[in-house]
Amino acid sequence: AQTVTQSQPEMSVQEAETVTLSCTYDTSESDYYLFWYKQPPSRQMILVIRQEAYKQQNATENRFSVNFQKAAKSFSLKISDSQLGDAAMYFCASEGAGSYQLTFGKGTKLSVIP
Amino acid sequence: DTAVSQTPKYLVTQMGNDKSIKCEQNLGHDTMYWYKQDSKKFLKIMFSYNNKELIINETVPNRFSPKSPDKAHLNLHINSLELGDSAVYFCASSLSHRVGYEQYFGPGTRLTVT
Repeated sequence: AQTVTQSQPEMSVQEAETVTLSCTYDTSESDYYLFWYKQPPSRQMILVIRQEAYKQQNATENRFSVNFQKAAKSFSLKISDSQLGDAAMYFCASEGAGSYQLTFGKGTKLSVIP
Repeated sequence: DTAVSQTPKYLVTQMGNDKSIKCEQNLGHDTMYWYKQDSKKFLKIMFSYNNKELIINETVPNRFSPKSPDKAHLNLHINSLELGDSAVYFCASSLSHRVGYEQYFGPGTRLTVT
């Protein structure tokens, strides 16, 4: 069984600033992946970044990076140089090798202030 | 080119009716999914098909029946609609059902039951 917890229902950031969204998870799987998906007001879910649990190096995609703390079961998303287009719901998700499915957190609504 | 498409985008219907939502992907993926997103934005897996075979069947009322005529299509039929079925339904696809593959989501179908 997997659970994903996002403790920040809403956050805001000034344009060009940096923001970190928190996520903790629990899983009984030894092989798993973690994801951050973005859902803008258009509703379309888009993958932002993914991390394989076996990899110690934190994943990075342009302005998006993660801080993966395996022992603490923490997987936070850092957005640098925030842009207006980053305003969206952000969902943290986990997927275990034996589960064949994504388990999502409840999401964090990010607002970007011009 | 649309990767994952759903029809219709909006569906308003009365309690007790039967309705279908269609999903098609042109990515050549093997695996397709249906998710339900409730009014609080919580996203939960309903079904998953791999090569037309059902591999995930979460605790969903029997009134919901998925059908996969081929690998590129996964339709969702809902009988005897209830008020609680009002939600946004997302179709998604991935290259494989194995762990770690990105899921590509459709634009969602907002179902409103009155």
